[in-house]
Amino acid sequence: NAGVTQTPKFQVLKTGQSMTLQCAQDMNHEYMSWYRQDPGMGLRLIHYSVGAGITDQGEVPNGYNVSRSTTEDFPLRLLSAAPSQTSVYFCASRGTGGGTGELFFGEGSRLTVL
Amino acid sequence: SQELEQSPQSLIVQEGKNLTINCTSSKTLYGLYWYKQKYGEGLIFLMMLQKGGEEKSHEKITAKLDEKKQQSSLHITASQPSHAGTYLCGAAAPLKSTFGDGTTLTVKP
Repeated sequence: NAGVTQTPKFQVLKTGQSMTLQCAQDMNHEYMSWYRQDPGMGLRLIHYSVGAGITDQGEVPNGYNVSRSTTEDFPLRLLSAAPSQTSVYFCASRGTGGGTGELFFGEGSRLTVL
Repeated sequence: SQELEQSPQSLIVQEGKNLTINCTSSKTLYGLYWYKQKYGEGLIFLMMLQKGGEEKSHEKITAKLDEKKQQSSLHITASQPSHAGTYLCGAAAPLKSTFGDGTTLTVKP
């Protein structure tokens, strides 16, 4: 059982480049989300989805796009990367049934924008 | 939005000592997560507390949620080097779970 898989684990971009961080889960979870973690800080929610075709903004959505075409995948797109987006990105998923069960996290994607 | 404040921000203890980390919420909690993170790695789920007064244990780590469901404490008994890392508390919510800034624990052998 793979759980939540994120790719790539490391990425270096130049300012203005675009890229997509991939997230896939094999637990049939309806809820998926993206967080960013900056040094010395906790996790800040970027976007989340409660099912295929449904997404919404979190605390820090600017500069990021998401879509959810399948239950399994929830990619995060940076359309024009900026140095302020240098961070570690975590994808998380959770089953339904009350809506407050354990959040399962991927291992993170470390992004550096030069 | 719900804010979580963790204290202390960092902690250095001698191996074998006990320690406590606190997490205070600005609002009543649906539930509270505790996760552990080793430097440069992902998050390891420790436990989730949902009922006021609830207490759970995971190996030598015990966490409790107060009756009002606004404060939680995580206690480590007889700390070991394997306990070192950053501990994050998180407010469980149906849509937007928020997290504290973390408490970094160093255990000196």
